[in-house]
Amino acid sequence: KNEVEQSPQNLTAQEGEFITINCSYSVGISALHWLQQHPGGGIVSLFMLSSGKKKHGRLIATINIQEKHSSLHITASHPRDSAVYICAAGSNTGNQFYFGTGTSLTVIP
Amino acid sequence: KAGVTQTPRYLIKTRGQQVTLSCSPISGHRSVSWYQQTPGQGLQFLFEYFSETQRNKGNFPGRFSGRQFSNSRSEMNVSTLELGDSALYLCASSLGRARTDTQYFGPGTRLTVL
Repeated sequence: KNEVEQSPQNLTAQEGEFITINCSYSVGISALHWLQQHPGGGIVSLFMLSSGKKKHGRLIATINIQEKHSSLHITASHPRDSAVYICAAGSNTGNQFYFGTGTSLTVIP
Repeated sequence: KAGVTQTPRYLIKTRGQQVTLSCSPISGHRSVSWYQQTPGQGLQFLFEYFSETQRNKGNFPGRFSGRQFSNSRSEMNVSTLELGDSALYLCASSLGRARTDTQYFGPGTRLTVL
């Protein structure tokens, strides 16, 4: 069983649509990270959160600690949002950092 | 500020050889973490160094090792290379500990083992 599960694995949307990517984790965490990886490999950290909600531009990340669940929302999606989105749990026990398998998002003009 | 740099960007080795990868963090960052990314396993955590000490370690064999220097630059070494070690190796730096701080990723080193 994976410590971090993401859904969906693949997502295709029309430009302008509202997008939600879900992440569930089974470990105790210090923080939950959302990463974006574009073709070519470069990874950018989008959010790091341990409670509540954060917003940056059209991106919103929420986390429910009790339910061990986080969501990444993209409002008014754009083709430049096409990328792989990865959630990662920084465990608060042991010495590990666990990653989801990623959600591949394609936004069609 | 300059971003995280990794050298070399591409590397081809043969089975049984060893390899050393280098990572220069953003100036002032004290934590350097290393990750392996493969198509089959995705991203996996290797280890984290903070203030020259290994703080966290993932589930990798002892062939994978690393160190951090006083200027926070870090090296990762893989000995006795296997075909399965072919991967993109990424490092990331952060001001504080990786688990609770924003990480800045380097472009990666693409290692191919023949």
